[in-house]
Amino acid sequence: AQSVTQPDIHITVSEGASLELRCNYSYGATPYLFWYVQSPGQGLQLLLKYFSGDTLVQGIKGFEAEFKRSQSSFNLRKPSVHWSDAAEYFCAVGADSNYQLIWGAGTKLIIKP
Amino acid sequence: ETGVTQTPRHLVMGMTNKKSLKCEQHLGHNAMYWYKQSAKKPLELMFVYSLEERVENNSVPSRFSPECPNSSHLFLHLHTLQPEDSALYLCASSPRDGGQNTEAFFGQGTRLTVV
Repeated sequence: AQSVTQPDIHITVSEGASLELRCNYSYGATPYLFWYVQSPGQGLQLLLKYFSGDTLVQGIKGFEAEFKRSQSSFNLRKPSVHWSDAAEYFCAVGADSNYQLIWGAGTKLIIKP
Repeated sequence: ETGVTQTPRHLVMGMTNKKSLKCEQHLGHNAMYWYKQSAKKPLELMFVYSLEERVENNSVPSRFSPECPNSSHLFLHLHTLQPEDSALYLCASSPRDGGQNTEAFFGQGTRLTVV
């Protein structure tokens, strides 16, 4: 069965420090992978997505993610975080069904001043 | 602003009440979704409509009843809910008839509290 695991429920990072949020998936074929961000009181916004091609994907707000098939991972990175990056981040994989995304449980990012 | 608008933003209802959540998009999308987001749990897909027809119903209790009168509007009718139904209900739309690589655009959600 398909699944997405985000091992870290919370991550605390100092402002200006680098960030890596982990995402591991279980899927038999080439996955379609997404990272979404949810700011407090808001809906989800797409940060970036991977379908095929270059395994390093650039997204909005200075984020990038790297698809590593051998590790079944799609980790999200940012070289220097800003206080405005404090939010919850969700990884998702396109499912066998045409309409479903399989979601991770999310990682809450806390920024220390 | 994603172009998907949900109303109301907050709703408190008793277990015997009947209420409706509304979602509206004018992005020209032809698929719309209801999700339930509970604390510390993955997003749960509840319903999917494509071209105004329901195409997914993920074993949702009958106290939740969706309606899609046209491609721009989606409703979730609520009746005799339970306290465990308290959650953030998110509406989303996508520009095609689904597909694994389809990006979803989300509304800001309705925070529902059942008392």
